[in-house]
Amino acid sequence: ETGVTQSPTHLIKTRGQQVTLRCSSQSGHNTVSWYQQALGQGPQFIFQYYREEENGRGNFPPRFSGLQFPNYSSELNVNALELDDSALYLCASSLDREFYGYTFGSGTRLTVV
Amino acid sequence: AQSVAQPEDQVNVAEGNPLTVKCTYSVSGNPYLFWYVQYPNRGLQFLLKYITGDNLVKGSYGFEAEFNKSQTSFHLKKPSALVSDSALYFCAVINGGATNKLIFGTGTLLAVQP
Repeated sequence: ETGVTQSPTHLIKTRGQQVTLRCSSQSGHNTVSWYQQALGQGPQFIFQYYREEENGRGNFPPRFSGLQFPNYSSELNVNALELDDSALYLCASSLDREFYGYTFGSGTRLTVV
Repeated sequence: AQSVAQPEDQVNVAEGNPLTVKCTYSVSGNPYLFWYVQYPNRGLQFLLKYITGDNLVKGSYGFEAEFNKSQTSFHLKKPSALVSDSALYFCAVINGGATNKLIFGTGTLLAVQP
């Protein structure tokens, strides 16, 4: 059984650019949630995908968007990057939105300069 | 709205001594509470959860947490700290509904001195 895999591990982008982060869910999991963890803060919920549909969204602007694929892997896309988007982006997978079975990946560290 | 508070930014403890990391919560309805640990440049690792049942919950690596409904607290404890326990600890509560998203506290840095 594989865990949650995120790529890339680190990324540096320029303000105004676009970025795509990827997440492979744990085997058997069909739900993926994305969180943003700014330096010195707790993770903040961005959105969740369940069976390829968005299933809830946090307080993030529309330039944060996502996808889930038939194999339940997921992408997080951020357009028009801002300096404040610099953070650790965490992906968590679970089965059928179960709240007691989240498995987190190691995250992607995004730096916007 | 659901929320979690971790009143201490940092907790210092000597190796071998007991440790407590504090967490209080505010929820409507039944609380579903979690503790996660984060090592440098790593993701979140699950330690333990309270869903229902016994107020004392045992988790990974010798950690336990006590659910106290009257004080709306869910403090993390360990009888004897190890240097390797040094990490960032997050308390979280589930915001129920279709999403079941986790709402995290701001984290407490645990420093265990040898």
